[in-house]
Amino acid sequence: AQSVTQPDIHITVSEGASLELRCNYSYGATPYLFWYVQSPGQGLQLLLKYFSGDTLVQGIKGFEAEFKRSQSSFNLRKPSVHWSDAAEYFCAVAANAGGTSYGKLTFGQGTILTVHP
Amino acid sequence: EADIYQTPRYLVIGTGKKITLECSQTMGHDKMYWYQQDPGMELHLIHYSYGVNSTEKGDLSSESTVSRIRTEHFPLTLESARPSHTSQYLCASRRFGNEQFFGPGTRLTVL
Repeated sequence: AQSVTQPDIHITVSEGASLELRCNYSYGATPYLFWYVQSPGQGLQLLLKYFSGDTLVQGIKGFEAEFKRSQSSFNLRKPSVHWSDAAEYFCAVAANAGGTSYGKLTFGQGTILTVHP
Repeated sequence: EADIYQTPRYLVIGTGKKITLECSQTMGHDKMYWYQQDPGMELHLIHYSYGVNSTEKGDLSSESTVSRIRTEHFPLTLESARPSHTSQYLCASRRFGNEQFFGPGTRLTVL
């Protein structure tokens, strides 16, 4: 079964600083990987996804993530954080094989991002 | 832009009441999901459906039930609400690939 670990529960950065949120996954093959963002009281919005191909993927709002198979990681980065980026970020993995597990997402615990002015 | 709707957004109800959380999508997606999310915690899949008249239980055991009579509609029902059911419930849908689109969620409080 797949699993996701987000080691940092809470990260605080200053506005304009760079950001990296960590995500490690466990899955027997190359998974489908996602980063979602959730603002307070809202649903989840997809930031970016990795299915195959180029290991550096670009997303919305200036975010990018790099898939590193050797480290089983899919870290999210942004070069300059804006105050509006304050939210909770979830990494998720989905099985890419057939069967009943196909398409089901497994989420990490989430990382809360606080941005100081 | 994904169109998936959940009502109500907030619900405060007494113990023992029957409640139905509504989820509708206008994208024609055949696959739909319900997740439960406690504050500060990850999302846990409680139900999913791969099409009309198809429903399955998810990874987290739940006393709720679901139905899928129409493609666009995937309601979740609690026959007798209890304080332990207090949580946020998120609905999602997808068609091809693995990208799921999420609704805004229903925050349920059972007193």
